[in-house]
Amino acid sequence: GAGVSQSPSNKVTEKGKDVELRCDPISGHTALYWYRQSLGQGLEFLIYFQGNSAPDKSGLPSDRFSAERTGGSVSTLTIQRTQQEDSAVYFCASSLALVAGGRGTDTQYFGPGTRLTVL
Amino acid sequence: LAKTTQPISMDSYEGQEVNITCSHNNIATNDYITWYQQFPSQGPRFIIQGYKTKVTNEVASLFIPADRKSSTLSLPRVSLSDTAVYYCLVASRAGSYQLTFGKGTKLSVIP
Repeated sequence: GAGVSQSPSNKVTEKGKDVELRCDPISGHTALYWYRQSLGQGLEFLIYFQGNSAPDKSGLPSDRFSAERTGGSVSTLTIQRTQQEDSAVYFCASSLALVAGGRGTDTQYFGPGTRLTVL
Repeated sequence: LAKTTQPISMDSYEGQEVNITCSHNNIATNDYITWYQQFPSQGPRFIIQGYKTKVTNEVASLFIPADRKSSTLSLPRVSLSDTAVYYCLVASRAGSYQLTFGKGTKLSVIP
């Protein structure tokens, strides 16, 4: 079946521009996650959605970052007034549920990522 | 929030068993430990998850001691295709979930 898809795969933008990254999760998955990975670094957790709700936005790096999810499906991560330090690969993941059977977080399935380059 | 620590890199010869340890000293009672594998230019992929003692699946084993302050991912008889970065993940819940990935261990398998 179809996995998690992200678009665009690559995005080059100029400093100060706004960008929008899209994630299409696996159909039926209620939980959705956004991560960021800077070059040569580990995964930085940004935000998760349970349905359309994001209980905690404190992981977003600054108020220039926002995320939404509609219809329990597609999610968009928006970065306003991009800066060079925003350059990274942004991964989206989804899972069937947030918590598997009430015990432990459910398996996350990751998309291929969007490589963002801010010039 | 749980903080995880892993070795930055490891080398191994083909056919050997590899053990990668992750420290998570302040793991909470209800936290599970999950390991993911990441190849270059790809998103991470689930390997194994556990709570305590030992868990085994078709690709790996996960050992978690009684105090649960660390966990060890064991890869039996590695091959060149196991060259990747391995992450441990601890999910902590303090109201909402915080998903803390370690910085990852780059495993290089040598012919």
